[in-house]
Amino acid sequence: DIQMTQSPSSLSASVGDRVTITCRASQSISRYLSWYQQKPGTAPKLLIYAAYSLESGVPSRFSGSGSGTDFTLTITSLQPEDFATYYCQQSYKNPPTFGPGTTVDVK
Amino acid sequence: QVQLQESGPGLVKPSQTLSLTCTVSGGSINNNDYYWSWIRQSAGKGLEWIGCIFPSGNTNYNPSLESRVTISTDTSKNQFSLEVRSLTAADTALYYCARTNILRATRSFDYWGQGILVTVST
Repeated sequence: DIQMTQSPSSLSASVGDRVTITCRASQSISRYLSWYQQKPGTAPKLLIYAAYSLESGVPSRFSGSGSGTDFTLTITSLQPEDFATYYCQQSYKNPPTFGPGTTVDVK
Repeated sequence: QVQLQESGPGLVKPSQTLSLTCTVSGGSINNNDYYWSWIRQSAGKGLEWIGCIFPSGNTNYNPSLESRVTISTDTSKNQFSLEVRSLTAADTALYYCARTNILRATRSFDYWGQGILVTVST
């Protein structure tokens, strides 16, 4: 299986901050990378697919970049509703696998 | 708006079989543009894809679980189901059903159910 890692595992930030989360794959996955946001008690929500394509309805403050093995999720100006856990997921090779998550909490 | 809803028992005994159902509303599971997956989430393993079923009825499973799982559909009820056999405590998790848009080259999960917590215990 392709292993996904994320860094940091958690971070503390304030409203208005620029937040960057990194995801790394154990082998090249081209752009077969998605990002999800999960809040307590709810299912993951798709934010970005194909490494940088914004899912419909997702605010433009979210953006993704990268290809190959290294990817980044950026939130340009953190909003109160953005405090959550973020996961990356590869779909290059079966089985699809997820990163361990990055929790963004209040500083 | 597509909605997915999991149903099934919340508590199952070790060695028994778990059966879960996902009811899809707002769209047909026969639509050739989508396929349907089961994903689980536990504190120990995080998010783990279990398997999926295509409109053709073909299935694809995670090799780590393939010997113990079966996914099937009931098109008359617009549902798909998961069966996990020979349960152990390690199967305790929050189980989600989810949809993938085949038209997108990247197989992301664009709609999810709310999840159902399954505990394996005596």
